Amino acid sequence: DADVTQTPRNRITKTGKRIMLECSQTKGHDRMYWYRQDPGLGLRLIYYSFDVKDINKGEISDGYSVSRQAQAKFSLSLESAIPNQTALYFCATSDRRVYNEQFFGPGTRLTVL
Amino acid sequence: AQSVTQLDSQVPVFEEAPVELRCNYSSSVSVYLFWYVQYPNQGLQLLLKYLSGSTLVKGINGFEAEFNKSQTSFHLRKPSVHISDTAEYFCAVSTPYNTDKLIFGTGTRLQVFP
Repeated sequence: DADVTQTPRNRITKTGKRIMLECSQTKGHDRMYWYRQDPGLGLRLIYYSFDVKDINKGEISDGYSVSRQAQAKFSLSLESAIPNQTALYFCATSDRRVYNEQFFGPGTRLTVL
Repeated sequence: AQSVTQLDSQVPVFEEAPVELRCNYSSSVSVYLFWYVQYPNQGLQLLLKYLSGSTLVKGINGFEAEFNKSQTSFHLRKPSVHISDTAEYFCAVSTPYNTDKLIFGTGTRLQVFP
Protein backbone atom coordinates (compact mmCIF):
# COMPACT_ATOMS: atom_id res chain seq x y z
CA ASP A 1 0.00 0.00 0.00
CA ALA A 2 1.19 3.49 -0.83
CA ASP A 3 2.39 5.59 2.08
CA VAL A 4 1.24 8.88 0.53
CA THR A 5 -1.97 8.82 -1.45
CA GLN A 6 -3.64 11.55 -3.48
CA THR A 7 -7.20 11.78 -4.73
CA PRO A 8 -8.28 12.24 -7.40
CA ARG A 9 -5.44 11.16 -9.69
CA ASN A 10 -6.89 13.03 -12.64
CA ARG A 11 -9.41 15.83 -12.78
CA ILE A 12 -10.79 17.98 -15.56
CA THR A 13 -12.79 21.02 -14.53
CA LYS A 14 -14.03 24.33 -15.86
CA THR A 15 -12.91 27.84 -15.14
CA GLY A 16 -14.52 29.24 -12.01
CA LYS A 17 -15.21 25.89 -10.35
CA ARG A 18 -14.07 25.08 -6.83
CA ILE A 19 -11.74 22.11 -6.66
CA MET A 20 -10.31 20.19 -3.72
CA LEU A 21 -7.33 17.88 -3.95
CA GLU A 22 -6.78 15.53 -1.05
CA CYS A 23 -3.68 13.96 0.42
CA SER A 24 -3.42 11.26 3.06
CA GLN A 25 -0.35 9.63 4.56
CA THR A 26 0.31 6.61 6.73
CA LYS A 27 3.96 7.41 7.41
CA GLY A 28 3.24 9.16 10.70
CA HIS A 29 5.09 12.26 9.52
CA ASP A 30 4.32 15.63 11.03
CA ARG A 31 5.19 17.77 8.02
CA MET A 32 3.21 17.93 4.79
CA TYR A 33 3.63 19.93 1.57
CA TRP A 34 1.83 20.78 -1.63
CA TYR A 35 3.77 21.41 -4.84
CA ARG A 36 2.83 22.04 -8.43
CA GLN A 37 4.90 20.82 -11.34
CA ASP A 38 4.89 22.57 -14.71
CA PRO A 39 6.91 21.46 -17.74
CA GLY A 40 10.24 23.24 -17.80
CA LEU A 41 9.70 24.84 -14.39
CA GLY A 42 10.34 21.99 -12.00
CA LEU A 43 8.41 21.82 -8.73
CA ARG A 44 7.27 24.88 -6.85
CA LEU A 45 6.03 24.94 -3.28
CA ILE A 46 2.45 26.11 -2.74
CA TYR A 47 1.88 25.54 1.00
CA TYR A 48 3.45 23.55 3.79
CA SER A 49 2.39 22.53 7.26
CA PHE A 50 4.49 21.57 10.27
CA ASP A 51 1.50 20.28 12.20
CA VAL A 52 -2.27 20.70 12.36
CA LYS A 53 -2.05 24.24 13.72
CA ASP A 54 0.93 25.46 11.72
CA ILE A 55 0.36 26.27 8.05
CA ASN A 56 2.70 28.36 5.93
CA LYS A 57 2.62 29.90 2.48
CA GLY A 58 5.12 28.73 -0.06
CA GLU A 59 6.45 30.32 -3.20
CA ILE A 60 3.18 30.42 -5.15
CA SER A 61 0.23 30.41 -2.74
CA ASP A 62 -1.98 32.96 -4.54
CA GLY A 63 -5.20 31.36 -5.74
CA TYR A 64 -4.85 28.37 -3.42
CA SER A 65 -5.86 27.52 0.13
CA VAL A 66 -5.17 24.51 2.32
CA SER A 67 -6.62 22.67 5.26
CA ARG A 68 -4.83 20.30 7.64
CA GLN A 69 -7.72 18.27 8.97
CA ALA A 70 -5.53 15.85 10.92
CA GLN A 71 -1.89 14.94 11.11
CA ALA A 72 -2.43 12.49 8.26
CA LYS A 73 -4.56 14.67 5.96
CA PHE A 74 -3.73 17.82 4.04
CA SER A 75 -6.08 19.22 1.40
CA LEU A 76 -5.44 21.79 -1.30
CA SER A 77 -8.31 23.91 -2.62
CA LEU A 78 -8.66 26.07 -5.68
CA GLU A 79 -11.54 28.39 -4.81
CA SER A 80 -12.12 29.50 -8.40
CA ALA A 81 -10.02 27.52 -10.84
CA ILE A 82 -8.37 29.25 -13.79
CA PRO A 83 -6.63 27.71 -16.84
CA ASN A 84 -3.11 28.62 -15.71
CA GLN A 85 -3.63 26.37 -12.70
CA THR A 86 -3.52 23.42 -15.07
CA ALA A 87 -0.58 21.40 -13.74
CA LEU A 88 0.55 18.26 -11.96
CA TYR A 89 0.10 18.60 -8.20
CA PHE A 90 2.14 16.65 -5.68
CA CYS A 91 1.70 16.15 -1.98
CA ALA A 92 4.76 15.29 0.09
CA THR A 93 5.55 14.47 3.72
CA SER A 94 8.62 14.55 5.90
CA ASP A 95 9.74 13.73 9.40
CA ARG A 96 11.18 16.73 11.25
CA ARG A 97 14.00 14.50 12.50
CA VAL A 98 15.28 13.70 8.98
CA TYR A 99 16.50 16.71 7.06
CA ASN A 100 14.45 17.26 3.95
CA GLU A 101 13.88 13.67 2.96
CA GLN A 102 10.48 14.29 1.53
CA PHE A 103 8.23 11.45 0.41
CA PHE A 104 5.97 12.20 -2.52
CA GLY A 105 2.56 11.00 -3.51
CA PRO A 106 1.79 9.86 -7.07
CA GLY A 107 0.41 13.23 -8.13
CA THR A 108 -2.90 14.66 -9.34
CA ARG A 109 -3.14 15.85 -12.91
CA LEU A 110 -5.50 18.83 -12.99
CA THR A 111 -6.80 20.37 -16.19
CA VAL A 112 -8.78 23.60 -16.05
CA LEU A 113 -10.67 24.35 -19.26
CA ALA B 1 18.02 33.24 -1.69
CA GLN B 2 19.01 29.93 -3.18
CA SER B 3 18.64 28.74 -6.75
CA VAL B 4 19.39 25.62 -8.75
CA THR B 5 20.33 25.35 -12.41
CA GLN B 6 20.11 22.17 -14.42
CA LEU B 7 21.54 23.16 -17.76
CA ASP B 8 20.56 20.01 -19.65
CA SER B 9 16.85 19.58 -20.15
CA GLN B 10 17.35 16.26 -21.92
CA VAL B 11 20.21 13.76 -21.94
CA PRO B 12 20.03 10.86 -24.42
CA VAL B 13 22.40 7.95 -23.82
CA PHE B 14 22.79 4.36 -24.89
CA GLU B 15 22.41 1.51 -22.45
CA GLU B 16 25.59 0.59 -20.53
CA ALA B 17 27.18 3.98 -21.27
CA PRO B 18 28.20 6.33 -18.45
CA VAL B 19 26.14 9.42 -17.75
CA GLU B 20 26.53 12.71 -15.92
CA LEU B 21 23.63 15.02 -15.12
CA ARG B 22 24.77 18.49 -14.21
CA CYS B 23 23.54 20.63 -11.34
CA ASN B 24 24.83 24.00 -10.23
CA TYR B 25 23.50 25.95 -7.29
CA SER B 26 23.68 29.48 -5.94
CA SER B 27 23.61 30.33 -2.25
CA SER B 28 25.19 32.83 0.13
CA VAL B 29 25.02 30.33 3.00
CA SER B 30 25.86 26.68 3.43
CA VAL B 31 23.59 24.24 1.64
CA TYR B 32 22.09 20.81 1.72
CA LEU B 33 21.84 19.20 -1.73
CA PHE B 34 19.57 16.49 -3.09
CA TRP B 35 18.84 14.50 -6.20
CA TYR B 36 15.33 13.16 -6.74
CA VAL B 37 14.14 10.86 -9.52
CA GLN B 38 10.68 10.79 -11.07
CA TYR B 39 9.77 7.68 -13.03
CA PRO B 40 6.92 7.98 -15.55
CA ASN B 41 3.55 8.54 -13.89
CA GLN B 42 5.02 8.45 -10.41
CA GLY B 43 5.94 10.88 -7.67
CA LEU B 44 9.49 11.86 -6.85
CA GLN B 45 11.76 9.67 -4.76
CA LEU B 46 15.05 10.54 -3.14
CA LEU B 47 18.17 9.24 -4.91
CA LEU B 48 20.79 10.73 -2.61
CA LYS B 49 21.57 13.72 -0.43
CA TYR B 50 24.54 15.71 0.80
CA LEU B 51 24.31 17.28 4.25
CA SER B 52 27.96 17.36 5.36
CA GLY B 53 31.09 15.24 5.48
CA SER B 54 32.40 13.32 2.51
CA THR B 55 31.83 15.19 -0.72
CA LEU B 56 31.20 11.97 -2.66
CA VAL B 57 27.73 10.69 -1.92
CA LYS B 58 26.43 7.31 -2.99
CA GLY B 59 22.75 6.75 -3.57
CA ILE B 60 20.34 4.11 -4.70
CA ASN B 61 20.46 2.27 -8.03
CA GLY B 62 24.21 2.81 -8.48
CA PHE B 63 24.08 6.61 -8.69
CA GLU B 64 26.56 8.89 -6.99
CA ALA B 65 27.12 12.63 -6.81
CA GLU B 66 30.02 14.85 -5.84
CA PHE B 67 29.67 18.11 -3.97
CA ASN B 68 32.13 20.70 -5.27
CA LYS B 69 31.94 23.83 -3.17
CA SER B 70 34.39 25.86 -5.26
CA GLN B 71 32.42 25.20 -8.43
CA THR B 72 29.04 25.25 -6.63
CA SER B 73 28.14 22.00 -8.32
CA PHE B 74 26.52 18.71 -7.39
CA HIS B 75 26.67 16.58 -10.54
CA LEU B 76 25.01 13.17 -10.64
CA ARG B 77 26.84 10.24 -12.23
CA LYS B 78 26.34 6.61 -13.06
CA PRO B 79 29.08 4.51 -14.71
CA SER B 80 26.69 2.29 -16.67
CA VAL B 81 23.03 3.10 -17.24
CA HIS B 82 20.15 0.73 -17.79
CA ILE B 83 16.92 1.15 -19.70
CA SER B 84 15.12 1.33 -16.36
CA ASP B 85 17.02 4.52 -15.50
CA THR B 86 14.89 6.41 -18.01
CA ALA B 87 13.24 9.09 -15.90
CA GLU B 88 13.33 12.75 -14.97
CA TYR B 89 15.94 13.80 -12.46
CA PHE B 90 15.65 16.84 -10.22
CA CYS B 91 18.39 18.53 -8.27
CA ALA B 92 17.26 20.43 -5.16
CA VAL B 93 18.80 22.65 -2.50
CA SER B 94 17.91 23.77 0.99
CA THR B 95 19.85 25.32 3.85
CA PRO B 96 20.44 24.48 7.52
CA TYR B 97 18.44 27.62 8.36
CA ASN B 98 15.37 26.58 6.42
CA THR B 99 15.46 22.85 6.03
CA ASP B 100 11.84 22.51 4.93
CA LYS B 101 12.11 24.70 1.87
CA LEU B 102 13.41 22.66 -1.01
CA ILE B 103 14.24 24.66 -4.12
CA PHE B 104 14.09 22.43 -7.18
CA GLY B 105 15.82 22.73 -10.51
CA THR B 106 13.85 22.45 -13.72
CA GLY B 107 14.75 18.80 -14.21
CA THR B 108 16.73 16.71 -16.68
CA ARG B 109 15.06 14.00 -18.67
CA LEU B 110 17.37 11.01 -19.04
CA GLN B 111 16.45 8.82 -21.99
CA VAL B 112 18.29 5.51 -22.21
CA PHE B 113 18.25 3.78 -25.59
CA PRO B 114 18.93 0.07 -26.22
